[in-house]
Formats: sequence, structure tokens, C-alpha cells
Amino acid sequence: ETGVTQSPTHLIKTRGQQVTLRCSSQSGHNTVSWYQQALGQGPQFIFQYYREEENGRGNFPPRFSGLQFPNYSSELNVNALELDDSALYLCASTAQRGAQETQYFGPGTRLLVL
Amino acid sequence: QKEVEQDPGPLSVPEGAIVSLNCTYSNSAFQYFMWYRQYSRKGPELLMYTYSSGNKEDGRFTAQVDKSSKYISLFIRDSQPSDSATYLCAMSSGGSYIPTFGRGTSLIVHP
Repeated sequence: ETGVTQSPTHLIKTRGQQVTLRCSSQSGHNTVSWYQQALGQGPQFIFQYYREEENGRGNFPPRFSGLQFPNYSSELNVNALELDDSALYLCASTAQRGAQETQYFGPGTRLLVL
Repeated sequence: QKEVEQDPGPLSVPEGAIVSLNCTYSNSAFQYFMWYRQYSRKGPELLMYTYSSGNKEDGRFTAQVDKSSKYISLFIRDSQPSDSATYLCAMSSGGSYIPTFGRGTSLIVHP
């Protein structure tokens, strides 16, 4: 296991609603990234947080926002949900493994927007 | 054209076969190349990590990078049914670790 947990595992929302997804990583993993993985596609980078500050952002609109907390947990918030937001949302924490940085992924939250 | 191209498959092989999975890319700034394995209903798991061109071997897995052709490969020897999963290639440039993923290739190894 990677030590990265996500909640909830599944979620159903309707268009226009707001959703909060949660992630908890291991102690000492200061960097957390969020990805969106649509069915049959690879993960798409949403944003990254390092020590509670946004440290990089992919091509996602501002209605996708996040927070990172001192206890190595983080949140992804999505406002005004659209049908195309239906996907698997993955959280990944980054840690040094030997000489390289390695991302450890959680199992994901599967979001369905109706 | 996407930055990273990967055939989605599915690729179906008999147990014991040698499997070859490939990705091409267009961004010459990519220096770090990764292969992830993703089982159904799980997050991706890092299998192999290579810096720049060359080969890297780990057990039954061999990763190859040819930067001149912008082409990377993952070989799996003596494939097992437990290798059945989606294999994602990913790559990044120097600096912050933000990989660009391919869409994944679905591999089915049948007994």
C-alpha cells in the first residue's frame, strides 16, 4: 500500500452542485498533487500543493480549487459541477525514494455527475 | 497531436509471452520517463523510472528510452495473468515533478 488514502470512494452529484474530495498522505510527504482521470484516459494534472501553497496548475478552470493542511491532508473542491467532470480523481503525494522523487497515488474517488 | 501517444489496446497475450508496450512523445524537453501499472479500481503504481536515454531492468521488466526517436518501451518477460492491468507511460522535464501521462494500454494475459 502507498499510505495515501482518499474519501469518499464513490460519489454521485447533479450538475451545478459543489463537491469536496479528501486525501490523506504520509507524514513528511510535503507535496500533494491532484489528477483527473476520465474513462479510458491517462491522469490529467489539476494542481500541486507544497507546504500548503499552490505550486503548479494544469489546464483546469478556477472552479477547481484546493487546500493542503499541516497534517498532510488535502482537499479538492469543484464548484458548478458539469457532466464532463465525471471521472476518477486521484491524489498523489511525492516523497524522496533513494535518489529520485516518487509519486504515491491513492485509490481515487470516482465521481459521477448526472 | 497529443504530447504523449499510447495505443490503448487491448493487448491480449498468452501466459509466458514477452509483452512490448510503447509510447511516443513530441516534447524534446522530457528527461524523466516512468511506467505505471494501474489495476482496475486502483490508483497507478510506479513500476519503472528512467532518466534520459538507455535501458533499465528490474526483474521481469525492462524499460528502454530512445530520446533521438522520442520513443519509450516497456518489456515484460514471462508474462503472468497477474500482470493484467492498464500500463501508463508518463514523462516530465526537469524541475518540478509534474508528469504528463499517456492514455494507458490495457494488457490481458490469459492462462
